[in-house]
Parts: sequence; C-alpha cells; structure tokens
Amino acid sequence: DSGVTQTPKHLITATGQRVTLRCSPRSGDLSVYWYQQSLDQGLQFLIQYYNGEERAKGNILERFSAQQFPDLHSELNLSSLELGDSALYFCASSVAGAGTEQFFGPGTRLTVL
Amino acid sequence: GENVEQHPSTLSVQEGDSAVIKCTYSDSASNYFPWYKQELGKRPQLIIDIRSNVGEKKDQRIAVTLNKTAKHFSLHITETQPEDSAVYFCAATHQGGKLIFGQGTELSVKP
Repeated sequence: DSGVTQTPKHLITATGQRVTLRCSPRSGDLSVYWYQQSLDQGLQFLIQYYNGEERAKGNILERFSAQQFPDLHSELNLSSLELGDSALYFCASSVAGAGTEQFFGPGTRLTVL
Repeated sequence: GENVEQHPSTLSVQEGDSAVIKCTYSDSASNYFPWYKQELGKRPQLIIDIRSNVGEKKDQRIAVTLNKTAKHFSLHITETQPEDSAVYFCAATHQGGKLIFGQGTELSVKP
C-alpha cells in the first residue's frame, strides 16, 4: 500500500457524461500528479499540482480539468466523455516536485460505453 | 520535445538468468530516473531510481546505470524469479517533477 488513495475504484458511464475522480495523497506530500494509462498510449502525464497550485500540464484535453484543495486532496473532472477516454487514471504524490519519488495510488478504471 | 524510448517491448528469460532493459531520453535537463514495476491491473510500484549525479545504483538483485553523455539508462535484474514477471517502465523527470514514461517492457520469467 503506497498511502495514496483513489476513489472510485471503477466507474462505468455513458458518452457525453461527466465524472469526478478523487485522490488523497500520502500524509505530508504536497505534490499530486494525474496520469492516464490506456492500452495504446501507455502512461501519459496529465497535470500536476503543488500545494494547491497548478505546476505543470501535459497533453490534457480541454474537456478535462483538475484542482487541489486546501487539505491537499485532488479531483480530476472529465466531461463530455468519449469512448476513447476509457482508461486507467492514476494519481501519484510526492513530497515536493522535481527529483522526488512519486508513489502511485491504485487507480480508477473508467469505462465509457 | 520530451521523449523516452524503451527497449525491448517484450523480454522472455529463463529463471535464474539476467534481464536488461534499456531507455534513452531526449531532454538533457532530465535529472531523475525512476523505474516502476506494474503487475496486471495494479498500480506502478517504484523499484529503484537514480539521480543525474550518480552513475550506478544497486539494490539486491536490481541495479540501474546512467550514462548522461549518451542519455541512456538501463535496468539490470539478476537471478530472475517468476515473481519478477511484470511490465517495467522507465521514466525521466524534469520541470517540477512530471514523469515522462517509456513504452514499457513486458518481462516474462519462465520457471
């Protein structure tokens, strides 16, 4: 167990819908990262927050957004869902930013029908 | 742009043999290189990492080497066991910590 928690574990929804994925980092970690893992794209960085502020952005779609709250938990919002958004979404956390170990949560498996 | 190439994509070895996975990164400013092991449907787990001021690091049967000049880094697993079977990902990080992952290597250790 990495100490990073994610909910829900599984999510099944329809195209066009909106979902929210939640992540709680390890105690003491200030950075939260979101990654998407699909069969054809591998592990792709989406976005990073550090102590409540956006730090870095990857190839995140405009339909996706995220935030980190004062208690440091983070939410990833996915809207206008498409079939191709079906993937495993991982959250990771680290103490700081560059050069520190990232520990991954168990992931949320999103299926869009 | 930032890119990490990983080879091979699949690797099959006999139990007890060594396994080597190689990665090349493009961003010369990358300074931290972790390796993750991922079992099917599970989270990636950090198994070893190396920073740019170190050339080699070892932890029991696992070792990682880094050649900054060539922008190469490699994972070496000795005395492989069936429980080493998994997908292994290399990554490079820069700019606040985002990880750029390689494509993954599916390692199969046959008893």
